This record gives sequence, C-alpha cells and structure tokens, in this order.
Amino acid sequence: AQSVAQPEDQVNVAEGNPLTVKCTYSVSGNPYLFWYVQYPNRGLQFLLKYITGDNLVKGSYGFEAEFNKSQTSFHLKKPSALVSDSALYFCAVRDRAAGNKLTFGGGTRVLVKP
Amino acid sequence: GAGVSQSPSNKVTEKGKDVELRCDPISGHTALYWYRQRLGQGLEFLIYFQGNSAPDKSGLPSDRFSAERTGESVSTLTIQRTQQEDSAVYLCASSHEASGSTDTQYFGPGTRLTVL
Repeated sequence: AQSVAQPEDQVNVAEGNPLTVKCTYSVSGNPYLFWYVQYPNRGLQFLLKYITGDNLVKGSYGFEAEFNKSQTSFHLKKPSALVSDSALYFCAVRDRAAGNKLTFGGGTRVLVKP
Repeated sequence: GAGVSQSPSNKVTEKGKDVELRCDPISGHTALYWYRQRLGQGLEFLIYFQGNSAPDKSGLPSDRFSAERTGESVSTLTIQRTQQEDSAVYLCASSHEASGSTDTQYFGPGTRLTVL
C-alpha cells in the first residue's frame, strides 16, 4: 500500500525567508509525486510533479521540490516566501504499479507573517 | 479553457436522505476521479473512471456510495441514506490519461456536504 506523511501540521515563516514543507512517502514501486495547494474555500491547485528525470522539479509561483529516492522524500521549497503563500499544502503519491489514484498526506498549513 | 466544475457548491441534507453530486470534467479528459476531504484532513480516494474501462471502486466506503459516468463526460456521485459521518467536501478531478503518460489531475472546487 502507498502512503504519504507530512510531519508538520503547520509551518510558520516570516515573509522573505525560505519556506520548506516536508513530505515523505512509501510505495512498493517507483513513485509519481505531486504537490497541490489549497486556498480557503477553494479546490486544490496543482503546483508541480515529479515523474522521472531531474530530481529538482520547478513549478508554479516560484515553488520547487527535490526528489530524494534514498530518503523517500519530496520536500517543497520556496527561496523567499510571500504572505500570499499562506495556504494548505498537500503532497500526494501515485504508485506506478498500483493504478491511477493519488494518495494524499494530511496537509501542512503554511502561515507567512509580514 | 474551462476547468472542472461541480454542483451544487453546498448541500445541506437531513440524515437518511439521498444526495446526488455532479461533476463536469475538463473537456477531452478521459479520466475522472472522486475524492472526499473530511474537515482538517487530507483527501481520500473514492472512485476512478477511465474511458470505457470498469471503474476502480476500491475507495468507496460503503454500499451507500455509488457513482456513474456517461462516456467521457459528466459524473454523478450518489450517497444513499446519508449519515452524519458523510459530512465532508467531495472533490472531483479529471486528467488526460494517455497510454504511458501520467497527466496531472485537475480538481474542481468541491461540494460541501453537511448532514444534519
């Protein structure tokens, strides 16, 4: 079975500082990995994905994530956070051998303070 | 182009009633998914449709839940004899799943279901 862990319920960061949201995963095969962001009362918006190739993936709004196979991690990063980045972030994994469904982590709330 | 749309945006119902939720996927997307998001939690997979293949129903929590999809268009999720634990946001997603590719799932705004 596949699973995703987001160990931090909330991350607080000052505007302009680097932002990191942690994600680790477990799959039996090779993973596809995704990050989504959810703003209040809205659906999920896609940020970026790792399928294959370069371990560093760049996505929307200046976000990037690094796939680390040995640590089974896919942490989301942004060099300089904005107040508007305050939202709920979800990491998700799809096991290539287990169909198309996504398994999501519990989410991490990011609060960027001015 | 237009994104995934869902209706209604909010639904309040009484325990024991049936409800029907609708999802309109992005035009041309062959795959459609339903997920449930309980308050303060991540998303749980419910069901997946891909073209004319048999749907993957492995995430449906009970036989009170069912879903249909007409071709590669609209899908409806039906919950019969609703219970208070069914209260959640129901999210629909669609993707263009071509053979050998992994396309992104794009989500609708969700339907917030409240069972009194």
